[in-house]
Amino acid sequence: GIQVEQSPPDLILQEGANSTLRCNFSDSVNNLQWFHQNPWGQLINLFYIPSGTKQNGRLSATTVATERYSLLYISSSQTTDSGVYFCAVEQIDSWGKLQFGAGTQVVVTP
Amino acid sequence: GAVVSQHPSRVICKSGTSVKIECRSLDFQATTMFWYRQFPKQSLMLMATSNEGSKATYEQGVEKDKFLINHASLTLSTLTVTSAHPEDSSFYICSARDGRGTEAFFGQGTRLTVV
Repeated sequence: GIQVEQSPPDLILQEGANSTLRCNFSDSVNNLQWFHQNPWGQLINLFYIPSGTKQNGRLSATTVATERYSLLYISSSQTTDSGVYFCAVEQIDSWGKLQFGAGTQVVVTP
Repeated sequence: GAVVSQHPSRVICKSGTSVKIECRSLDFQATTMFWYRQFPKQSLMLMATSNEGSKATYEQGVEKDKFLINHASLTLSTLTVTSAHPEDSSFYICSARDGRGTEAFFGQGTRLTVV
């Protein structure tokens, strides 16, 4: 099956700092999504981004499908950005099934 | 975005009993829903695909007789953990999407503790 690797595994940021999270995947995909899992376990949809670039407030994401990677940018981080960020991909011919990366644990300190 | 609701959010049960978890799509119809499992400090792993009006399909290594899935309507899928054991304690979360090529939305998750 497809391999999804996220880096770094852990990230500690001071409030106001910027950061980049990376997601590499080993095969072509139909879809790619970024999620933020809050302390209660809820998965919050950040981006649906099989290709291209999107921005939503302080967050933006870029997926280069031909090179099999995606980047999530967090700018001017806030303590509420703390949590685990997951990248998940849908492999071609596996409609709807998401393969998750191991996640990046982000801690933003005041 | 689409809303997926999961109930209960937390349940504690005794070993040997069964527990039912519901997953509802509130503002769209979902012919297919997905059930995932997450152990502490780990990622989400797909358990099974729930198909409305037909049998669920299970990922390799998932016991279909232990994790019974029923998708009786276009807005409801249920996961029943049968004869629960402490090792079944985990976070179970469902997802659905409202059409081919669109994004997946997740329920709030259910934290199951078997004592």
